[in-house]
Amino acid sequence: KNQVEQSPQSLIILEGKNCTLQCNYTVSPFSNLRWYKQDTGRGPVSLTIMTFSENTKSNGRYTATLDADTKQSSLHITASQLSDSASYICVVSAEGGGADGLTFGKGTHLIIQP
Amino acid sequence: NAGVTQTPKFRILKIGQSMTLQCTQDMNHNYMYWYRQDPGMGLKLIYYSVGAGITDKGEVPNGYNVSRSTTEDFPLRLELAAPSQTSVYFCASSYPGLTPHRSQYFGPGTRLTVL
Repeated sequence: KNQVEQSPQSLIILEGKNCTLQCNYTVSPFSNLRWYKQDTGRGPVSLTIMTFSENTKSNGRYTATLDADTKQSSLHITASQLSDSASYICVVSAEGGGADGLTFGKGTHLIIQP
Repeated sequence: NAGVTQTPKFRILKIGQSMTLQCTQDMNHNYMYWYRQDPGMGLKLIYYSVGAGITDKGEVPNGYNVSRSTTEDFPLRLELAAPSQTSVYFCASSYPGLTPHRSQYFGPGTRLTVL
């Protein structure tokens, strides 16, 4: 069964500090991996999308890495801001899976304290 | 563009009542989806549609129905509400095929409580 596991479940850091969120998956065959940011009371918004051949992709202060061999991804946030407080969701798409081929992780709840 | 809009934002239902959750997108996306998000859990796919007149079941379709008469609208129907349907419901849309350069766009969600 395809699974996506995220860690930690929750994380509290001080404003200005860096942090790294982890995502491990067992989805096969792999197509792509997405990171979403979900603010409280809002729908998820896409941060990055990575394919098998991409090791690193950045979006401002967000940098995602992918190791397709070990089936692991990480999302690194640099110089955190209060607006980074949100849930971060890892989503893996299976090759040929179509519209129902996405597996969602449970998310990491990140709190940035002033 | 308004993107993906959902109504209502909040709703409380009694057991056995029925309701329709509305979803509209103005991006001319062929694909539309309904997900539910339970506390501490990942999003689960309820139904999806690849175009007007075509719908398919997702992972958790029991207790729900959908229709897709136009490209823009994808309503979700709950016929006999049960407490297990208490959740936050998200509608999403995308261009055909979830290739790496085609992301899903989500609505703001409908928070439903069944008592």
